[in-house]
Amino acid sequence: KAGVTQTPRYLIKTRGQQVTLSCSPISGHRSVSWYQQTPGQGLQFLFEYFSETQRNKGNFPGRFSGRQFSNSRSEMNVSTLELGDSALYLCASSLGDGGKLFFGSGTQLSVL
Amino acid sequence: GQSLEQPSEVTAVEGAIVQINCTYQTSGFYGLSWYQQHDGGAPTFLSYNALDGLEETGRFSSFLSRSDSYGYLLLQELQMKDSASYFCAGLGQNFVFGPGTRLSVLP
Repeated sequence: KAGVTQTPRYLIKTRGQQVTLSCSPISGHRSVSWYQQTPGQGLQFLFEYFSETQRNKGNFPGRFSGRQFSNSRSEMNVSTLELGDSALYLCASSLGDGGKLFFGSGTQLSVL
Repeated sequence: GQSLEQPSEVTAVEGAIVQINCTYQTSGFYGLSWYQQHDGGAPTFLSYNALDGLEETGRFSSFLSRSDSYGYLLLQELQMKDSASYFCAGLGQNFVFGPGTRLSVLP
């Protein structure tokens, strides 16, 4: 069974630009959640989608948004990038019924 | 609010047993998970406690006590490859991760 796939693996952007990250979950998983990981703040929850609906949302500004498609693939968008958005963005998929998350390798975003 | 606390670093020798503690303050909390992350890698699931008590999975065990708002991960027969960061994660309305414990296993 293929794992969680995130693209792209690395991304370099400049301040003010926007970016879209993609996540393909494990087949059969309907929940996709997104996380920001930085050395100073650790792993922080962004949002979770289940069956195309945002089920939960973390404490991030509205510049961070996401969506989920009917095939459970998910995208995350960050608009008006700031230097502080530089981080590893991880997505995780699950069946949506408990604490077992399967993480992708992440997208390393650098904002210059 | 939701927050979890873990020690920042733990060091042990090969073959030893190490316990990583996690204390939490969460509302609407219904489970505690543990994840391992090697440098440059993605977090991988180790264990999940939905109920109080001990869960055992090979060399790894995890414990949860809701009355004490406390859990721990126990790693036995430590190997060099266990050197990594370990995160506890509270499952409530959202997933909330602890700051992580960096485990160094020495020969």
